[in-house]
Amino acid sequence: DTEVTQTPKHLVMGMTNKKSLKCEQHMGHRAMYWYKQKAKKPPELMFVYSYEKLSINESVPSRFSPECPNSSLLNLHLHALQPEDSALYLCASSPSVNEQFFGPGTRLTVL
Amino acid sequence: QKEVEQNSGPLSVSEGAIASLNCTYSDRGSQSFFWYRQYSGKSPELIMFIYSNGDKEDGRFTAQLNKASQYVSLLIRDSQPSDSATYLCAVTGSQGNLIFGKGTKLSVKP
Repeated sequence: DTEVTQTPKHLVMGMTNKKSLKCEQHMGHRAMYWYKQKAKKPPELMFVYSYEKLSINESVPSRFSPECPNSSLLNLHLHALQPEDSALYLCASSPSVNEQFFGPGTRLTVL
Repeated sequence: QKEVEQNSGPLSVSEGAIASLNCTYSDRGSQSFFWYRQYSGKSPELIMFIYSNGDKEDGRFTAQLNKASQYVSLLIRDSQPSDSATYLCAVTGSQGNLIFGKGTKLSVKP
């Protein structure tokens, strides 16, 4: 298995909902990332997990809560989001400090 | 804070021509450089990475790195309409994350 998978592909949620995004890779990569990408902007880092430990939290609001249950799985729990949080959420994994491989992303719309 | 600068374009070339995409970076200590291609509505796809000064070729793509000038470029030979996309230049951040430029939109016209 040589890919990063993300579910769901699309998600529409209200501001009071709780939902989760899921990311999975079976390449043995020990670093996994969450990025947020707004339209016509580059991806922006949200969280980094290295060996299942959170090593960066780029001042992301607490309504975003990451979780890394094991080395293959990364979740992003969402609660009380705002319409401006609507974006493409990208998961990536990396075998080293170098190249990263992205999943297809989850297109999130907050109403 | 590391910064990566790219001309946002759009860059328009004719089919079969060479497309030249450029990128500069602010941190002289940066070691690893990446080019990603992103089609509209899709996720970034790694095209090439380069660590050493000089050229690195892979098929129709050539990455060029000049650390003295803090400059990275991507040449696409024999451009095809399917190459039309946004090309993102990136460098490695302090924690292994990627710091992206704003991207250059390339349009290849038949």
